[in-house]
Amino acid sequence: DAGITQSPRYKITETGRQVTLMCHQTWSHSYMFWYRQDLGHGLRLIYYSAAADITDKGEVPDGYVVSRSKTENFPLTLESATRSQTSVYFCASSDTGSSEKLFFGSGTQLSVL
Amino acid sequence: EDKVVQSPLSLVVHEGDTVTLNCSYEVTNFRSLLWYKQEKKAPTFLFMLTSSGIEKKSGRLSSILDKKELFSILNITATQTGDSAVYLCAVATSGTYKYIFGTGTRLKVLA
Repeated sequence: DAGITQSPRYKITETGRQVTLMCHQTWSHSYMFWYRQDLGHGLRLIYYSAAADITDKGEVPDGYVVSRSKTENFPLTLESATRSQTSVYFCASSDTGSSEKLFFGSGTQLSVL
Repeated sequence: EDKVVQSPLSLVVHEGDTVTLNCSYEVTNFRSLLWYKQEKKAPTFLFMLTSSGIEKKSGRLSSILDKKELFSILNITATQTGDSAVYLCAVATSGTYKYIFGTGTRLKVLA
C-alpha cells in the first residue's frame, strides 16, 4: 500500500539499550522528518533529511542518530536509550516540489524503563 | 530562534458553538502555514496558507493568514463532538525546509 509506515507501533525497552525506529515511504518524497511529541511541548523536530545521504539536525537531536541510504527509508536510532526519550515518535515526509503538505506515519509509542 | 505559538492551550465548548483558534509565528524565511487535526493518532492535514487575506474553507472549518501581523486563525462553526481533537499549527520555512509546530490547542466539544 502506498503511504508512510512506521514500525514498531509500540516498543518498551530499558535504559542503555539501543533502539531503532523504522520509517518507510512509497511516494519517493525527497524530504523526511522525525518528530517527537510530548505533553506540553507539541511536535519537536529531531532530524530531517532533504534527500538520500543528506541529513541535518533539528531542535532536539541529542541522543539520536539517523541515516538515509535510500530515499524511501529513514530510520531513527537511539544509541543508548534514556527515560527522557520516552515519547511518541512520528515520521513524516513531504515533496516540496509539488505540494508542501507534510504527511505523517501512524507513530511509534516508545517507553524507556 | 523560530517559534510558533498557539492559543488558547485548551478550550471546552458545547455543540453548536463557534470557536476561533489562534496561531502566531516568528520565523525567518516563511514559506507557508499549515493546520492539522490530531485525534489520538497521526496528525491529518486541514489547510495550507501562503497568501495573506485569502480564506481557505472546508465545510464548517475555515482559516486565514495575516503575513503582516504574523498570525493565522482557524474557525470552526457549529461545532460537533467529532471536532474534539488537538489542532496543530505549523510553519514551513524555506532554505532549510523545516516545519516548526506550535504546542497545539486541545478542543473538547460537549454534547
